[in-house]
Amino acid sequence: RKEVEQDPGPFNVPEGATVAFNCTYSNSASQSFFWYRQDCRKEPKLLMSVYSSGNEDGRFTAQLNRASQYISLLIRDSKLSDSATYLCVLYNQGGKLIFGQGTELSVKP
Amino acid sequence: NAGVTQTPKFQVLKTGQSMTLQCAQDMNHNSMYWYRQDPGMGLRLIYYSASEGTTDKGEVPNGYNVSRLNKREFSLRLESAAPSQTSVYFCASSDVAGYEQYFGPGTRLTVT
Repeated sequence: RKEVEQDPGPFNVPEGATVAFNCTYSNSASQSFFWYRQDCRKEPKLLMSVYSSGNEDGRFTAQLNRASQYISLLIRDSKLSDSATYLCVLYNQGGKLIFGQGTELSVKP
Repeated sequence: NAGVTQTPKFQVLKTGQSMTLQCAQDMNHNSMYWYRQDPGMGLRLIYYSASEGTTDKGEVPNGYNVSRLNKREFSLRLESAAPSQTSVYFCASSDVAGYEQYFGPGTRLTVT
């Protein structure tokens, strides 16, 4: 079983829609969680960290459910510029990040 | 600010050739990483250096070597390139190991 699993998509949504991605992880000892964004043929960039209490940054909300071992990312009022691949990332011990394969989002006019 | 820089941006090699991918960061970060990204596989860690003077294997180290030349620079060497090493290679750095990583623009390598 992969340490981090994501639905690769693509998720095709119209502008203004709300879309949510889930990501499951297998190691219950995972300590920290992140969402990264990767535009086509570009480098990944940190979108937001995910805290146990949940956190919001503008149109983006991230949540962590340790009991069920998943994290989620909710995007409200989708923009064309949100089209990208969203990578679920977790940190165990040993100084390494574990990356999911990513979920592709395409926002259409 | 330059952040993390990588050279070259593109490279085509023949099977058996060798080359070194260069990476440098100007953020005074302690930790540096090399990843490869293949379609459907996500980012996989090749090697990392938690601090200057140390290097450790990641998930897919076979066929690669690394050198942490100083705090700024971390190079990746392919001694005898194989078609299976065709990939996009990203270098990254972080201030604290395991936390937010900043990535370079990538090197697109094709081995024929």
